[in-house]
Amino acid sequence: AQSVTQLDSQVPVFEEAPVELRCNYSSSVSVYLFWYVQYPNQGLQLLLKYLSGSTLVESINGFEAEFNKSQTSFHLRKPSVHISDTAEYFCAVSQGGGFKTIFGAGTRLFVKA
Amino acid sequence: GAGVSQSPRYKVTKRGQDVALRCDPISGHVSLYWYRQALGQGPEFLTYFNYEAQQDKSGLPNDRFSAERPEGSISTLTIQRTEQRDSAMYRCASSLVKGPSDTQYFGPGTRLTVL
Repeated sequence: AQSVTQLDSQVPVFEEAPVELRCNYSSSVSVYLFWYVQYPNQGLQLLLKYLSGSTLVESINGFEAEFNKSQTSFHLRKPSVHISDTAEYFCAVSQGGGFKTIFGAGTRLFVKA
Repeated sequence: GAGVSQSPRYKVTKRGQDVALRCDPISGHVSLYWYRQALGQGPEFLTYFNYEAQQDKSGLPNDRFSAERPEGSISTLTIQRTEQRDSAMYRCASSLVKGPSDTQYFGPGTRLTVL
């Protein structure tokens, strides 16, 4: 069965510092990987996703994530965060042939001035 | 509308009552998902529709929970004989095409409180 582990429930960081939000998954078959973000008082929205091809995927607001098959990880990184990046970030996995998407418990990123 | 809408946004009910939660997906979206999200947790898959066909209901916790999408657009999640443990945020999402690789667009959720 698929599962997703987000290793940090909360990550406080100062503005302009780098950040990494960790995500590990378990699956015995090829997977699709996603990061969704939930800003305060808003619904979840897609940040980026890995389907196939290049293992490094990027979002329009400077986040990137790298698919590492051997370590079954899909960590999210940003070299310099802004106050506006304060949100909850969810890692998710799904697999071909099914419809179910499994979400991690979420990581709250809190960017301090 | 421009996005996925859900109603009501908040629902408070007494234990034993039935509730119906509505989801209006983005127009033209084929796939519709229902999730339940407890406080401090990620969304938990409940069920999936491809047009009007319910193709996966493996996440529905018991037979008190049911869902329908009779015309392949609006969907209703019904919880019968509610219990306090049913209290959670219920989220709906839709995607343009069938399959697990497509981006899901989430609604704002319905916060259900069972007293």
